[in-house]
Amino acid sequence: QVQLWQSGPELQKPGASVNISCRTSGYTFNTYGISWIRQAPGQALEWMGWISPFTGKTEYAHSLQGRLSMTTETSTSTAYMELRSLTSDDTAIYYCARERGVVPFDHWGQGTLVTVSS
Amino acid sequence: DIQMTQSPSTLSASIGDRVTITCRASQSISDWLAWYQQKPGKAPKFLIYRASTLESGVPSRFSGSGSGTEFTLTISSLQPDDFATYYCLQYKTYWTFGQGTKVEIK
Repeated sequence: QVQLWQSGPELQKPGASVNISCRTSGYTFNTYGISWIRQAPGQALEWMGWISPFTGKTEYAHSLQGRLSMTTETSTSTAYMELRSLTSDDTAIYYCARERGVVPFDHWGQGTLVTVSS
Repeated sequence: DIQMTQSPSTLSASIGDRVTITCRASQSISDWLAWYQQKPGKAPKFLIYRASTLESGVPSRFSGSGSGTEFTLTISSLQPDDFATYYCLQYKTYWTFGQGTKVEIK
């Protein structure tokens, strides 16, 4: 079955960076895009960015451009997300999710809590 | 950027009620709309895509309709497992979620 498994919770200080991994299984990694979506406490879902494992092409939300990087490693079917220059506003649960055109975000990772605090 | 506006933000209902949630897009998105259900502490669950196509395994009491800028999610007879927060998602141009509708027990 399709599974997306994310790395564990993170506690970071303001100004630091965070790296989260999303290891996938149960499908052909290169045939689906991967998006990262976050959810601040008590808030709505926010799309952050997308990457094609096949081409490496990325698209980032305007609000995060310059701080956000996404990569993939096809040999391990894993996607990575790095967010830099963290502030308390970046405290959230971060999700990875796969998508393919007509069918968006049909499978999600379990989420990774990132807490930014001094 | 395309903005998505859901209403209501909170909905109180009883078991067996028919429930309707509305999602409006700031510009036409054709039928590039999906719906998700999220329970506390859990990742969202995919329900509907292309505005009205039910994902495999989703109960038939859920249905979606609409095109252009106005869309609805309907639960025909609310069940205990349906108390949750629901989000719409446009995916015509990048991806944008609505702000969510919490369905709570009346």
